[in-house]
Amino acid sequence: EPEVTQTPSHQVTQMGQEVILRCVPISNHLYFYWYRQILGQKVEFLVSFYNNEISEKSEIFDDQFSVERPDGSNFTLKIRSTKLEDSAMYFCASSGGEFNEQFFGPGTRLTVL
Amino acid sequence: AQSVAQPEDQVNVAEGNPLTVKCTYSVSGNPYLFWYVQYPNRGLQFLLKYITGDNLVKGSYGFEAEFNKSQTSFHLKKPSALVSDSALYFCAVREMGGGNKLTFGTGTQLKVEL
Repeated sequence: EPEVTQTPSHQVTQMGQEVILRCVPISNHLYFYWYRQILGQKVEFLVSFYNNEISEKSEIFDDQFSVERPDGSNFTLKIRSTKLEDSAMYFCASSGGEFNEQFFGPGTRLTVL
Repeated sequence: AQSVAQPEDQVNVAEGNPLTVKCTYSVSGNPYLFWYVQYPNRGLQFLLKYITGDNLVKGSYGFEAEFNKSQTSFHLKKPSALVSDSALYFCAVREMGGGNKLTFGTGTQLKVEL
């Protein structure tokens, strides 16, 4: 069964450093998303991406964040200058259509020291 | 703005008994409703969804959910719980015509005991 994959599973970084989280969505999906879950809190939407552009973003997704689909398979989330409060589990998701369910990857746990 | 409430942080049930995990939602228009399950150190797994049609929807692993428009609820149910159902369950909503983002509830920890 096809699945969303994410790398790395755990990323530790120093405050102020840039990180890139990588995702490989399900191959025939067209809609891509990033969510995050701070420990003990609910899953929060960050951004959705379709047709090589951001279709929607939340208030959390400020200028420090960016997304890219550099090739036909990867979907990345970049945090330019990490802050302590960026520590969270980051989930990538993809869906085959606008109204289809979203399939989530296993997540990348980001720890900012 | 869309929102989801899961009033119970934890639900305990004996194996073989029916289980219910509660969810209520708030949207301006018509909702799309979803249930996801999260096992430890795993991502969110899709269980079932309501888009339109029958109010009772069936999903994976014997789970079902009932959409109740008047009560704005979408409770998850299973007739006979298994110990392996123990996990964290999330209800989510998106609003028809309101973009693709899912808004999640805070999650309900289900514990099924022998």
